[in-house]
Amino acid sequence: DAGVIQSPRHEVTEMGQEVTLRCKPISGHNSLFWYRQTMMRGLELLIYFNNNVPIDDSGMPEDRFSAKMPNASFSTLKIQPSEPRDSAVYFCASSLEGNEQFFGPGTRLTVL
Amino acid sequence: EDQVTQSPEALRLQEGESSSLNCSYTVSGLRGLFWYRQDPGKGPEFLFTLYSAGEEKEKERLKATLTKKESFLHITAPKPEDSATYLCAVQVLGSNYQLIWGAGTKLIIKP
Repeated sequence: DAGVIQSPRHEVTEMGQEVTLRCKPISGHNSLFWYRQTMMRGLELLIYFNNNVPIDDSGMPEDRFSAKMPNASFSTLKIQPSEPRDSAVYFCASSLEGNEQFFGPGTRLTVL
Repeated sequence: EDQVTQSPEALRLQEGESSSLNCSYTVSGLRGLFWYRQDPGKGPEFLFTLYSAGEEKEKERLKATLTKKESFLHITAPKPEDSATYLCAVQVLGSNYQLIWGAGTKLIIKP
């Protein structure tokens, strides 16, 4: 199995630009999680999908952040407009029901 | 409030010097406790799941144990390649599968 796939691995953009992060979960998994990791705050859950339906988006910082899961094999996290404080590593993870989550390699986002 | 606390924040050991990492938790009801390893520049890598007090899991030089209040990750005769940040996370009953994460313990094994 290829594991969780994320793209791009690195993204450098300027403040105000739109950023789209992509995730392909492990085949057969029905739960998908988007996290953000920084030195100051550690791992923060942004949003969680179960069977392609958003279950809890209370961790999404503000309206500039949005996430979609159009099918079981693809999800996006979009930031529009981006700000320097959004700089972080964004992880996607997937799991089967409530079992262990498997993480992708992450996208390192830098907003200048 | 559900909470997970890991200690110490950082731990430096000589190669071969055994020790333990602690993960204490306060939750309304435990569904499972998870241990992960994270190397710099990579995503967390799953190690163990523990579900009930008294349960133990082992993998190579690592052994995880669970009580009603805390979990320990015991590292026996560590090697430099065991250097990483070890994260603990708790899944609360009825929480829609979300995890509450500890801040992690950064482990450095010196040759």
